[in-house]
Amino acid sequence: GAGVSQSPSNKVTEKGKDVELRCDPISGHTALYWYRQSLGQGLEFLIYFQGNSAPDKSGLPSDRFSAERTGGSVSTLTIQRTQQEDSAVYLCASSLEISGANVLTFGAGSRLTVL
Amino acid sequence: AQRVTQPEKLLSVFKGAPVELKCNYSYSGSPELFWYVQYSRQRLQLLLRHISRESIKGFTADLNKGETSFHLKKPFAQEEDSAMYYCALSGWSGNKLVFGAGTILRVKS
Repeated sequence: GAGVSQSPSNKVTEKGKDVELRCDPISGHTALYWYRQSLGQGLEFLIYFQGNSAPDKSGLPSDRFSAERTGGSVSTLTIQRTQQEDSAVYLCASSLEISGANVLTFGAGSRLTVL
Repeated sequence: AQRVTQPEKLLSVFKGAPVELKCNYSYSGSPELFWYVQYSRQRLQLLLRHISRESIKGFTADLNKGETSFHLKKPFAQEEDSAMYYCALSGWSGNKLVFGAGTILRVKS
């Protein structure tokens, strides 16, 4: 597609429920990132997929968070047993990942509100 | 480990005044530095990167390896520069991009 697409754009859920956030990167982009954006915390790295390599999960805040990327394209971020502190905007980005030109294209984000 | 520090959460200046948004980094390898910007109700987007050595919208940033800094500067701020600015760092091998906490720039008329 023309850009990075994320869905849903807004999600309101009750504490304890599971949520899935979807990211459709730019076609041909080999790298895909998930970040969390919240007031006072800035842009927090969550997870990074690069081609067929094992993902870098070092930013996931707890084992309630997981992500997968199917067929090197679409990615799903899953948050189990949501907590109020999970409320944030979740941003997805993709890039061509040419060495020395790591320029990311961001989606519009999924705003998650946990009541 | 990669780390980016932006010490100011908010920077407020008057239109026409110079602007400097500070960014310091920590990285053991050869860094690649970026500035990203998010205008109100728009997506986060690249502003500039150090390897390009270019001026975008009047902004410039110089990588100072001795001071491990990559401060963003503009000689004369404009109201349309008001936005959230993020400094970001990755290594040359294409590893993950790590962002600072961001600085809100408010340009007052």
